[in-house]
Amino acid sequence: QQQVKQSPQSLIVQKGGISIINCAYENTAFDYFPWYQQFPGKGPALLIAIRPDVSEKKEGRFTISFNKSAKQFSLHIMDSQPGDSATYFCAASMRGSGGYQKVTFGTGTKLQVIP
Amino acid sequence: SAVISQKPSRDICQRGTSLTIQCQVDSQVTMMFWYRQQPGQSLTLIATANQGSEATYESGFVIDKFPISRPNLTFSTLTVSNMSPEDSSIYLCSVIHRGNYGYTFGSGTRLTVV
Repeated sequence: QQQVKQSPQSLIVQKGGISIINCAYENTAFDYFPWYQQFPGKGPALLIAIRPDVSEKKEGRFTISFNKSAKQFSLHIMDSQPGDSATYFCAASMRGSGGYQKVTFGTGTKLQVIP
Repeated sequence: SAVISQKPSRDICQRGTSLTIQCQVDSQVTMMFWYRQQPGQSLTLIATANQGSEATYESGFVIDKFPISRPNLTFSTLTVSNMSPEDSSIYLCSVIHRGNYGYTFGSGTRLTVV
């Protein structure tokens, strides 16, 4: 199974609050789990990523929590700011033929942080 | 990470015509990818373009509709042929360096077919 399921589809959070986006996968061959942030009119940009041998990775206000046994991972945005308003895509990738990571994207979450 | 320039950034085209989208990368890359993103939707891979070989198309995409060129390690084009309103979408170029794990995307081409 190559699918990556993402929820919620949209999220509204007050400034200063915590934004949480969840993803689940089926294929245990995935070995890299990135999150991409996309602002309107721009391409997605790599935000933060984790490998399955760790349970948590933190970069500034952004944290990935990873549960290998449940095949779930989530993005937490602490102290959410209006500038965080964007669409967030989770993804999962594995090494494909040719030696590059073949990626499967989630369906996206549109986050709006209101003042 | 690589810097990608994608042109045009947007266009409005008549049905039945074709549009060629250009993707220029500031470093040599083996793998280049073309994605389609319909409004409010996720990214769908159209094809993978390796330099020196024919592009590999995903299910639902064919070369006659989306011909791709990859003349060197820093440049690729995607043509959307015989366009219909259903082709209205954002088209994105992406690259990944061998041995790396994260993708870099261009800013996309917003195509409207009328």
